[in-house]
Amino acid sequence: ETGVTQTPRHLVMGMTNKKSLKCEQHLGHNAMYWYKQSAKKPLELMFVYSLEERVENNSVPSRFSPECPNSSHLFLHLHTLQPEDSALYLCASSQDGTGELFFGEGSRLTVL
Amino acid sequence: AQSVAQPEDQVNVAEGNPLTVKCTYSVSGNPYLFWYVQYPNRGLQFLLKYITGDNLVKGSYGFEAEFNKSQTSFHLKKPSALVSDSALYFCAVRDLTIYNQGGKLIFGQGTELSVKP
Repeated sequence: ETGVTQTPRHLVMGMTNKKSLKCEQHLGHNAMYWYKQSAKKPLELMFVYSLEERVENNSVPSRFSPECPNSSHLFLHLHTLQPEDSALYLCASSQDGTGELFFGEGSRLTVL
Repeated sequence: AQSVAQPEDQVNVAEGNPLTVKCTYSVSGNPYLFWYVQYPNRGLQFLLKYITGDNLVKGSYGFEAEFNKSQTSFHLKKPSALVSDSALYFCAVRDLTIYNQGGKLIFGQGTELSVKP
């Protein structure tokens, strides 16, 4: 138990569906992150939120839409995805000054 | 730009033997370096970090890492490997070019460690 919870753990969706991934952290951290992990590729940072404000968006397609309503919750809204978006999506949180990230177990997304 | 490299995609070790997983880094200024482990179908777990101080850093599960500034390396080591150590290992560096609370980590491509009985 890392203190970062992601739901759902597994998601299968069609290209026309709309779904959301949810992340919740119970660590009192003030920064949250979405990473994408594809097979045989390095971890890709997608979004960074600090104090509920988006501070980085690494050229992620608009079919991925993040939302951070408060410092404990982070969402990734998914719309009209492509099969190449199938991957493990990892949420993480951290507290400023340490740089150490705490990861959730990930949401395994399959796009048909 | 900050970066890390893990030159080996896979490392094979016999149980009971010492193991080393290599990492080199490229940063401007003093590096903040990390090691993470990922077991199958799980998220990443923090093992250890180097910020400053002693070059030999001890972490979880008996792992340690040695910071070598002259060689710009931060290799992960364990004196005696266990079958249960088999997993994917990531080296990471904190990106100090972005000023935000919490910072962000840049990860290497990962090294698959396989420990055989």
